[in-house]
Amino acid sequence: DSGVTQTPKHLITATGQRVTLRCSPRSGDLSVYWYQQSLDQGLQFLIHYYNGEERAKGNILERFSAQQFPDLHSELNLSSLELGDSALYFCASSVERLGILGTQYFGPGTRLTVL
Amino acid sequence: GEDVEQSLFLSVREGDSSVINCTYTDSSSTYLYWYKQEPGAGLQLLTYIFSNMDMKQDQRLTVLLNKKDKHLSLRIADTQTGDSAIYFCAESIRVTGGGNKLTFGTGTQLKVEL
Repeated sequence: DSGVTQTPKHLITATGQRVTLRCSPRSGDLSVYWYQQSLDQGLQFLIHYYNGEERAKGNILERFSAQQFPDLHSELNLSSLELGDSALYFCASSVERLGILGTQYFGPGTRLTVL
Repeated sequence: GEDVEQSLFLSVREGDSSVINCTYTDSSSTYLYWYKQEPGAGLQLLTYIFSNMDMKQDQRLTVLLNKKDKHLSLRIADTQTGDSAIYFCAESIRVTGGGNKLTFGTGTQLKVEL
């Protein structure tokens, strides 16, 4: 158990819908990262938040957005869903000490199926 | 550029050593990682190495880093059936604005046979 929690575990929805994935980082970690794992793209970095602020953006579609709240939990919002958005979405967290970002610990993931 | 490559499959007999290889392209990597993913499960951090180190040993795991050739390897001694999984190498890259991201390889599926 990494200490990172994600809900829900599974999500099945239809094309055109909107969903919200939730992540709680490990206690004390200020950084939260989101990744997408799909069969054709592999593991792709989406976005990094640090203490409520966006720090880095990867291959995140405009239909996707994220935020990190004052209690440090994060949400990934996926809208106008398409079949190709079906994937495993991982959240990771890490601590930062003296300007150095530490090891990323991953949550169990949310499996999204778009029908 | 950022590109991390791994071979797709490796098959070994129980009790033998496994060596999983990885090459990366970004010389600004700070840390390099090995993660393990079992079927239907999340990513489990196995070990990592700081970019200024050559080797790290952790029980049955040995990580070797050749920075000149941008080559990373993971050796698993006395491989067991429970080691069957997909192994991902990843490089940690600092990005503009103080952010950080991991770039993952394609993953190597390790199959351990009796």
